[in-house]
Amino acid sequence: EIVLTQSPGTLSLSPGERATLSCRASQSLSSSYLAWYQQKPSQAPRLLIYGASSRATGIPDRFSGSGSGTDFTLTISRLEPEDFAVYFCQQYGSSPFTFGQGTKLEIK
Amino acid sequence: EVQLVQSGAEVKNPGESLKISCKGSGDSFITYWIGWVRQMPGKGLEWMGIIYPGDSDTRYSPSFQGQVTISADKSISTAYLQWSSLKASDTAMYYCARHGLRGYRDAFDIWGQGTMVTVSS
Repeated sequence: EIVLTQSPGTLSLSPGERATLSCRASQSLSSSYLAWYQQKPSQAPRLLIYGASSRATGIPDRFSGSGSGTDFTLTISRLEPEDFAVYFCQQYGSSPFTFGQGTKLEIK
Repeated sequence: EVQLVQSGAEVKNPGESLKISCKGSGDSFITYWIGWVRQMPGKGLEWMGIIYPGDSDTRYSPSFQGQVTISADKSISTAYLQWSSLKASDTAMYYCARHGLRGYRDAFDIWGQGTMVTVSS
C-alpha cells in the first residue's frame, strides 16, 4: 500500500499570500496518478488537480499542481478568502487508492 | 449536469445491518467506476473500494475487505454500500464518488453529498 504524507499539517497564511502544500509518496507513482481535493466544513471534497498538474473543470488558475515520482506540490498563488479549507492528495496508480492525511489551510 | 445523490442519514444500533445508496443521473452511469470513501468524525478520507456498475467488477481496500459489501444495480443507476453487522466504529460520513473518463486511472471528479451513519446503543 502506498502511504501519502502531507505537510505541513496546518498552514497559517493571510489572504493574498502564496500557499505551498506538499504530498510525499512512499513509492514512486506511475504516470503521475496524483490528485488534489479541497474540502470545506460540512461539504463533500471537490477535485482541484488530477494527473499531478491538470486543473479540473472550473478550477481557477491560481491553483496549480506539480511534481512527479514521490514528491508533489499544490500551489495557490494568491489566497482568496474562500481558499481556506482542508486539502487532501490521493494516488490512484496502485490499489488501494490511498489519501494523504490532509493539510488544513487556516487564516492567520 | 451529472450528479450523485446519496440516501439520507442513518442511526442504527450495534449489530444491525444497513445498506446505503448512491444514485447517478444520466445514461452513462454504468460506464464509470464508482467508489466509496469513509470519513470518520474530524478525520481524513479513506478509500474503501470501487465498482464498475456495467459488470459489477469490484475492488476493495484490504482495510475494508470482508467488513463491507459494495454492489450496484445498473438498471436503476445505483451503487450500494452495505454492512451485515454494524459496529460503533462504523460511525462516519460515507461518500460515493465517480472516477473520470479514464476509468479508475482517473481521479474522483464527481462526489455525492455524503451519508452520515451513526451507530450507537
